[in-house]
Amino acid sequence: QKEVEQNSGPLSVPEGAIASLNCTYSDRGSQSFFWYRQYSGKSPELIMSIYSNGDKEDGRFTAQLNKASQYVSLLIRDSQPSDSATYLCAVIPNTGFQKLVFGTGTRLLVSP
Amino acid sequence: GAVVSQHPSRVICKSGTSVKIECRSLDFQATTMFWYRQFPKQSLMLMATSNEGSKATYEQGVEKDKFLINHASLTLSTLTVTSAHPEDSSFYICSALGTSGRAAGELFFGEGSRLTVL
Repeated sequence: QKEVEQNSGPLSVPEGAIASLNCTYSDRGSQSFFWYRQYSGKSPELIMSIYSNGDKEDGRFTAQLNKASQYVSLLIRDSQPSDSATYLCAVIPNTGFQKLVFGTGTRLLVSP
Repeated sequence: GAVVSQHPSRVICKSGTSVKIECRSLDFQATTMFWYRQFPKQSLMLMATSNEGSKATYEQGVEKDKFLINHASLTLSTLTVTSAHPEDSSFYICSALGTSGRAAGELFFGEGSRLTVL
C-alpha cells in the first residue's frame, strides 16, 4: 500500500462548479497534511495545510481532515480555468521530521 | 515571502558527465534542505535530507555515491549527479526548512531544475 494515495484523474469540472479532490494515507500517526498545486513544468506551491480534524477554509479552498478514516480532501469552490493543474496531497508521517511524502497527484481540468 | 532559488533551471549534458545543482535560501537560514526527483506524470520522490554541517540522509534505493549532496552553509545545499546517464533525466526540486524568524518551521520549495542527459 502506498503511503499517500490519490486518484490520478483527470477530474473534469465546468467553470463555476465545485471540484472535490480526495486523498488517503496509511500512517495513522500522521499529524500534518498539505495540499499543493503544481502547474506543468513548475515546482509545487502550497495551497493549504491542515493539522486537526474538521474543515479549514481559505477563500475558495476548503481542506477537510478525518484522521479516523485517514482521509483528507480539498474542495475548490467556483472553479476557474486557472485552477487547472495537478493537485498533490502531502503528509508528514509520524516517523519524519518535516519529511513530506507526496501522493501521485490528481490532475484537475476546469473547462470554460 | 521566503524564497528558495535553484540553479540552473535547465541543464542538458552528455552521458558520463557530472552536473551540479544549487539550492539557496535567499532571505532565511535553513539547516535542513530536502532534495526531490520527479519523473514525468509522477509524484515527487524524496531522494535525501540534507543537513548543514553533516552528511546527508539518503532514502532507500538512492545511490549516495551517484547523488552527492553538500550542505556547507545555512543557505546553500548542492546536489551533484555524477556520471549522469539518460535515465537520470528528471525534474529535481529542493525544499528548505526555515529555522528562524518568519520562516521558522515553514517549508519552501525551489523552482526546480530540469536535467536532460543525452
